[in-house]
Amino acid sequence: EDKVVQSPLSLVVHEGDTVTLNCSYEVTNFRSLLWYKQEKKAPTFLFMLTSSGIEKKSGRLSSILDKKELFSILNITATQTGDSAVYLCAVEYAGGTSYGKLTFGQGTILTVHP
Amino acid sequence: SQTIHQWPATLVQPVGSPLSLECTVEGTSNPNLYWYRQAAGRGLQLLFYSVGIGQISSEVPQNLSASRPQDRQFILSSKKLLLSDSGFYLCAWTVGGPIGELFFGEGSRLTVL
Repeated sequence: EDKVVQSPLSLVVHEGDTVTLNCSYEVTNFRSLLWYKQEKKAPTFLFMLTSSGIEKKSGRLSSILDKKELFSILNITATQTGDSAVYLCAVEYAGGTSYGKLTFGQGTILTVHP
Repeated sequence: SQTIHQWPATLVQPVGSPLSLECTVEGTSNPNLYWYRQAAGRGLQLLFYSVGIGQISSEVPQNLSASRPQDRQFILSSKKLLLSDSGFYLCAWTVGGPIGELFFGEGSRLTVL
């Protein structure tokens, strides 16, 4: 059975701290790994990773994929209170002609205190 | 630009009552459409997906059904709600082909009492 596991499940930090969120997976026919940020309602897209060792970066956020060890990390440097959210990791698996099927992890709840 | 609308935003229903959640996408044609459910403290679980009008695939056995009567309309239904149907339901869309960014609606929070 396909599985995506995120750790930690929750994290409390202070502004300015750096955090690392982890995502490990066991998926047959892996196609891509995606990170989303969910603040209140709709998750918003952060990164899509398909190749090992290539860092994706957007401002203070960065992410990298290790397809050999089957995990990804999401780094947030100089955290701000606006970074408080649930961070979701999802893996897309390839199968026939049906795309866009994602298996999600349970999410990491990040709380950033002033 | 593309937008996705989902309603109602909040719903409180008694056990045994019917359900209808609607989702429409604007600004694109022939999208792949999805219904996900998020239980409290859990990740998102794919319930249904559709690659075209009238084409519905179910991912998990359950008390719910989905329909796609028009290209950009996706409906989630139940004839008789169960307590376990409570949760946060998210509609999403993407263009066909390998997934890139999956666009989510604002969600519908269903409480079954």
